[in-house]
Amino acid sequence: KNQVEQSPQSLIILEGKNCTLQCNYTVSPFSNLRWYKQDTGRGPVSLTIMTFSENTKSNGRYTATLDADTKQSSLHITASQLSDSASYICVVSASNTNAGKSTFGDGTTLTVKP
Amino acid sequence: SQTIHQWPATLVQPVGSPLSLECTVEGTSNPNLYWYRQAAGRGLQLLFYSVGIGQISSEVPQNLSASRPQDRQFILSSKKLLLSDSGFYLCAWRGRGHNEQFFGPGTRLTVL
Repeated sequence: KNQVEQSPQSLIILEGKNCTLQCNYTVSPFSNLRWYKQDTGRGPVSLTIMTFSENTKSNGRYTATLDADTKQSSLHITASQLSDSASYICVVSASNTNAGKSTFGDGTTLTVKP
Repeated sequence: SQTIHQWPATLVQPVGSPLSLECTVEGTSNPNLYWYRQAAGRGLQLLFYSVGIGQISSEVPQNLSASRPQDRQFILSSKKLLLSDSGFYLCAWRGRGHNEQFFGPGTRLTVL
């Protein structure tokens, strides 16, 4: 069964600090992995998308890494800001999925405090 | 550019009442469309997806149904709402041959 597990479930950091969120998956055969940011009460917004051949992808202060061998991904946030407070969702798609169905993690809730 | 709309943004309905949530996409043709539900503090659960007009696939048995009367319109419905139908409903689209899904702003449904 395809699964995506994220850790930690929640995280509190001080403004300006860095943090790393983890995503482990068992989706197979792997197609792509995406990280989304979801503000409270809003729809998720894409941060990065990586395919099998990509090891790292950056989007401003967000950097995602992918290790397809160990089936792990991380999202690193540099110099955190108050606006980074949100839920971060890891999503993995299999290449044999019909109509682009994906497996979603439960998300990591990040709180950035001043 | 492509945009996705959902309405209403929030909805409070009594148990047993009907439901109709609408999602429309602009700026693209023949997208794959998806309905998700998100319980508080939980991940997204895929409810329905559609690869074309009139083509609906259901992922989980439930009290809801979906329809796609036009290429860029996706509707989520219920004849009689249950308390357990409360949640945050998200519509998403994906372009053919592309990996990424784009989400709408969501509808917060509270069933009392």
